[in-house]
Amino acid sequence: AQSVTQPDIHITVSEGASLELRCNYSYGATPYLFWYVQSPGQGLQLLLKYFSGDTLVQGIKGFEAEFKRSQSSFNLRKPSVHWSDAAEYFCAVGSPNTNAGKSTFGDGTTLTVKP
Amino acid sequence: NAGVTQTPKFQVLKTGQSMTLQCAQDMNHNSMYWYRQDPGMGLRLIYYSASEGTTDKGEVPNGYNVSRLNKREFSLRLESAAPSQTSVYFCASSVPSGTGTGELFFGEGSRLTVL
Repeated sequence: AQSVTQPDIHITVSEGASLELRCNYSYGATPYLFWYVQSPGQGLQLLLKYFSGDTLVQGIKGFEAEFKRSQSSFNLRKPSVHWSDAAEYFCAVGSPNTNAGKSTFGDGTTLTVKP
Repeated sequence: NAGVTQTPKFQVLKTGQSMTLQCAQDMNHNSMYWYRQDPGMGLRLIYYSASEGTTDKGEVPNGYNVSRLNKREFSLRLESAAPSQTSVYFCASSVPSGTGTGELFFGEGSRLTVL
């Protein structure tokens, strides 16, 4: 069965500092990988996705993520955080062979941005 | 472009009452999903519909029923609500992984409290 682990429940960074959110997955082959962001009281919005090709993927709002098969990781990064990035971030894994929308989500990482 | 629309946004029920959450999407997606979100537990799949006319159980289907009314609409019914069903419910849609990468498009959520 596929699974996702986000080791950090809560991260606090200063505005302008760099950010890395960790995600580890368990899946038998190459999965589809996603990062979603959820602002308070809102639904989730896709930041970026990986399904094949270049292992470094670019997303919206200046985010990027790198797929590392050897480490079963798909960490999210941003070089300079803005106050508006404060939100909850979810990593998810889906199967290319079935309905990938049946994604399995991690428990989420809450990002706080200090002024 | 409305995307995924859920109603109601808020609902308070008493134990044993029934209710239906409505969801509609205008993106011509084949697949639709119901997830629940509980603090510290990420999102868990309740039911999904890979295409019009089909529905399948997800990770936590007990206590719920669904209906895929047509390609646009996918409803979630609680026949006899229990306090354990207090949660935020999200409807989502996607293009199936055979023709897309299964990224999910979410509604804004329905916050349900069962007393």
